Amino acid sequence: QVHLVESGGGVVQPGTSLRLSCSASGFNFENYGMHWVRQAPDTGLEWVALISFDGSITYYSDSLKGRFTISRDNSKSTLFLQMNSLRAEDTAVYYCTKDQSPEDYLWGTFQYWGQGTLVTVSS
Amino acid sequence: EIVLTQSPATLSLSPGERATLSCRASQSVNSYITWYQQKPGQAPRLLIFETSNRATGVPARFSGSGSGTDFTLTITSLEPEDFAVYYCQQRSNWPPFTFGPGTKVDIK
Repeated sequence: QVHLVESGGGVVQPGTSLRLSCSASGFNFENYGMHWVRQAPDTGLEWVALISFDGSITYYSDSLKGRFTISRDNSKSTLFLQMNSLRAEDTAVYYCTKDQSPEDYLWGTFQYWGQGTLVTVSS
Repeated sequence: EIVLTQSPATLSLSPGERATLSCRASQSVNSYITWYQQKPGQAPRLLIFETSNRATGVPARFSGSGSGTDFTLTITSLEPEDFAVYYCQQRSNWPPFTFGPGTKVDIK
């Protein structure tokens, strides 16, 4: 059974940094692309970032303007999201998701989701 | 960026009724439309991928159809656990992967 468990969220001040983690189990983590998707309070879903199975390929939402970095440690089946220069508009629940496809560039179906971790950016 | 619009925003129905949810794309997404269900306080759940393929464990009362720019999620007979928000999402032209704003199916 696939499990994705996010951690690292919290309340931070604007301009500061935060690192989210996602611990994965129940599947061959090293074979799949992974994503972060966020959901601001009482709003819809927004894709944040994608990383290929080996970490060699990454994509980001343009709205992040280079402030976030996605990475992974396959030896520990863990996904990360480094978030810098945080803004109030980054306040959201951040979900770690497993892509359905084991093939590069056939990404984009979010097969399994963690329960999310809440990031609140407020002074 | 492909923009997805969903209608209606809210659908008020009774258990046992048929629900028809619409998703329209700003340009053709071929068959690369996915549907998710989200209940309050929970993460989204994959329902339908590539327009019409049910994910593992999804009941047969859920079905998807469409092509090009117009897609539909149908729930043939609503069960109490089906009252939720439903999102469509495209993976035809990315980045970014984009979601619709959602349709809330609530109890009439």
